[in-house]
Order: sequence, then C-alpha cells, then structure tokens
Amino acid sequence: SQTIHQWPATLVQPVGSPLSLECTVEGTSNPNLYWYRQAAGRGLQLLFYSVGIGQISSEVPQNLSASRPQDRQFILSSKKLLLSDSGFYLCAWSRSSGRGNTIYFGEGSWLTVV
Amino acid sequence: AQSVTQLDSHVSVSEGTPVLLRCNYSSSYSPSLFWYVQHPNKGLQLLLKYTSAATLVKGINGFEAEFKKSETSFHLTKPSAHMSDAAEYFCVGEDTGRRALTFGSGTRLQVQP
Repeated sequence: SQTIHQWPATLVQPVGSPLSLECTVEGTSNPNLYWYRQAAGRGLQLLFYSVGIGQISSEVPQNLSASRPQDRQFILSSKKLLLSDSGFYLCAWSRSSGRGNTIYFGEGSWLTVV
Repeated sequence: AQSVTQLDSHVSVSEGTPVLLRCNYSSSYSPSLFWYVQHPNKGLQLLLKYTSAATLVKGINGFEAEFKKSETSFHLTKPSAHMSDAAEYFCVGEDTGRRALTFGSGTRLQVQP
C-alpha cells in the first residue's frame, strides 16, 4: 500500500531563517506531488505541484521554493522566512495517469514564524 | 478553469439531525469533484468523489453527495449527524489543465449534543 510521510510535524523558526520541509511517498512510482498551505481560518492554497523529477510548477509568487530531487521526494524550502509564511503545510500525492484521481495527504507540518 | 464555492463557512446541527453542506462548481468541462474532511490538526481524508459515473455518490461514514449538472452543485449530506462528524469539510474540484485540485474555502461543521 502507498504511504506518505512529511516532517517535521511542528516547527518554530525566527524571521529570516531558512526552511526545509520534506515529504516522501512510498509504494508507488511517478506520482504527482503537491505542496499546499492552509493559513489559519482559511482553505487550502496550492503552492507547488510536480509531475516528475525536476519538474516544478509554482502557483503563487512567494519566497518559497520546491524541489523534487528524486521520484518520490518533494521538498519545500525558503532561504528567509517571513511572518506571513506561518501556517499548516500539507504534502500530497496522486497517481499521474487518468483523471479524477484521489489526492492523498500527509499529516501536515505546523510552521510558526516568530 | 475549475472553481468551487462552498456557500456556508459554518454549519451547526444537533446530533441525530440531517447534515447539508453546500458546494457549487463552475467549469467548462465535465468535472471531477471530491469532498474531503479535516479533523483538527490533521491531514485531509477523502470522503467521496464523483467522476462522471453515477450522479449519487456514497462515501465513508454515511455521507453522500449528489452531482446536479443543471444546478452546478455537489452538496454533501448525511441523514443523521454524529458528534464525531464535527470537522472542517472541503469541496474540491479537479482542474484538468493544471493537474491539480482546487479547494473550496471550507465549511466548519459543529455538532451539538
């Protein structure tokens, strides 16, 4: 069966510090991978998605970046965090073929920028 | 492009009474639509999905949703609410152009004893 893991689960970082959130998927190959952010009291916002190694699409301009160094690894990064980067970050995956594929979420990472 | 609108940000029901969470979609294509549930501080879990098959879709935990093309709606219902149903619910549409999902703003369901 497929599993998705993301870490760390919680993170408190000072403004201006770097960020690295990591996500890995097991039990499938060539998945579509996603990073979403959920700010307090708001819905989910798609940040990045990837259809293959080294292929990253950015949905919103920001000081975050994403990388996919391996087929089942997706990393969310920042060189200098802003207060507005605080939120709940969710990694997700779906199968890459067909349509109507279910998207499966990790347990999320709480980021607080202080 | 696909967009989904959840018409209620908060819904409060009494335990044992019906639940209705409303969602409208807009799309120039035949959409794929989903409902997800998120319990506090947790990831999201799929409740059900519609992919151009039967218009009445049954999901987990007694939830179901009906796709109505004439009304561009995909409302989520449950005949009898349980305390454990209290959570945030998201209506989601598939944007085939971006291969990504578009989330509604969410509806927080409260269940009163």
